[in-house]
Amino acid sequence: GAGVSQSPSNKVTEKGKDVELRCDPISGHTALYWYRQSLGQGLEFLIYFQGNSAPDKSGLPSDRFSAERTGGSVSTLTIQRTQQEDSAVYLCASSFRLGATNEKLFFGSGTQLSVL
Amino acid sequence: AQSVSQHNHHVILSEAASLELGCNYSYGGTVNLFWYVQYPGQHLQLLLKYFSGDPLVKGIKGFEAEFIKSKFSFNLRKPSVQWSDTAEYFCAVHTDKLIFGTGTRLQVFP
Repeated sequence: GAGVSQSPSNKVTEKGKDVELRCDPISGHTALYWYRQSLGQGLEFLIYFQGNSAPDKSGLPSDRFSAERTGGSVSTLTIQRTQQEDSAVYLCASSFRLGATNEKLFFGSGTQLSVL
Repeated sequence: AQSVSQHNHHVILSEAASLELGCNYSYGGTVNLFWYVQYPGQHLQLLLKYFSGDPLVKGIKGFEAEFIKSKFSFNLRKPSVQWSDTAEYFCAVHTDKLIFGTGTRLQVFP
């Protein structure tokens, strides 16, 4: 596709429900990142993938958060038993190759998650 | 662990004023440094980056940044801001992953 696509763009859920957020990176991009953007918190790193593997999951806030990537393309971020503090914009970004000297991240428009 | 600090959380300037946004990072090894910008209602986009060579790098829209290794700093500058520079600016450092600072909100008034 022309850019990084995220769906849904907005998600309102009830506390305790599970949610799944989807990211379609730019075709051919092997590196994929998930970030969380909260007011006053900046961009919080969650996880990154190189291909289908996630070398660093240290940013995931708790074991309620998980992410996977299949076929080196689409990634899903799953939040189980959502809490109100999970409310934020979840951003996905992709780049051609992790650590490449010309690496430039392309960001999606994000999923605004609201937990009531 | 690597971290990025942006000292200015909110900056308000008049048009034509000069801008400098601070960025410091903590990491002892080789780093790649970036500034990203998010204009209102738009995606994050790359403003400029430093990988090696000349520590003074120039980006889009008249922005520049200087890498000072001894100070672990990568401050963003622009000699004369415009109203259209109103945005949120994020410094980022890349070692094994890309870590962002908390951002600086810049408001420029005509």
